[in-house]
Amino acid sequence: QKEVEQDPGPLSVPEGAIVSLNCTYSNSAFQYFMWYRQYSRKGPELLMYTYSSGNKEDGRFTAQVDKSSKYISLFIRDSQPSDSATYLCGGRKDTGFQKLVFGTGTRLLVSP
Amino acid sequence: DSGVTQTPKHLITATGQRVTLRCSPRSGDLSVYWYQQSLDQGLQFLIQYYNGEERAKGNILERFSAQQFPDLHSELNLSSLELGDSALYFCASSVATDRGWNEQFFGPGTRLTVL
Repeated sequence: QKEVEQDPGPLSVPEGAIVSLNCTYSNSAFQYFMWYRQYSRKGPELLMYTYSSGNKEDGRFTAQVDKSSKYISLFIRDSQPSDSATYLCGGRKDTGFQKLVFGTGTRLLVSP
Repeated sequence: DSGVTQTPKHLITATGQRVTLRCSPRSGDLSVYWYQQSLDQGLQFLIQYYNGEERAKGNILERFSAQQFPDLHSELNLSSLELGDSALYFCASSVATDRGWNEQFFGPGTRLTVL
């Protein structure tokens, strides 16, 4: 079983839709949770990170973590064609080496 | 542009061969990480170096090795290549302390194709 599970998609939505991307994880030691966005043929770039449980909002993006259910979510409001990319969720322990554990990524397609 | 550079962008080689991938971290970053990305396994951590020393190992095969040089650039060596080694290889860098959050900045990757 992978430490972070993520539906690979693709997820196709029309422009303006609210998008919900979800992951589950199994490692109880994870304290940092992150979402990276990866455009085609590019390296991943950090979108948001959170520490422990709770919500974090940044513009149209909201990250949510529920440690009791080991569930990680990313919500995108008013989705744009430029949001079309692969979204990687991941987790990391608080101490020790900075190993990031990622899901396989969900491919999102936003059509105009 | 993350500030992390990787060369070459593309590499095509044959089974059994050996290749070297190169990474230059962002200015000021002491830590370098190598990841392998394939369709079925996703993005997987291979190895981390901090200021020239190996810090952590992930799912790195014995045929693979890496090092970080005094100028902090890093090289990933892949030998006795197999078809299954075809993948995207990413390098990331960070300031890297053991506690707290340190963003890892990813390079553009090297696409390796083994024929």
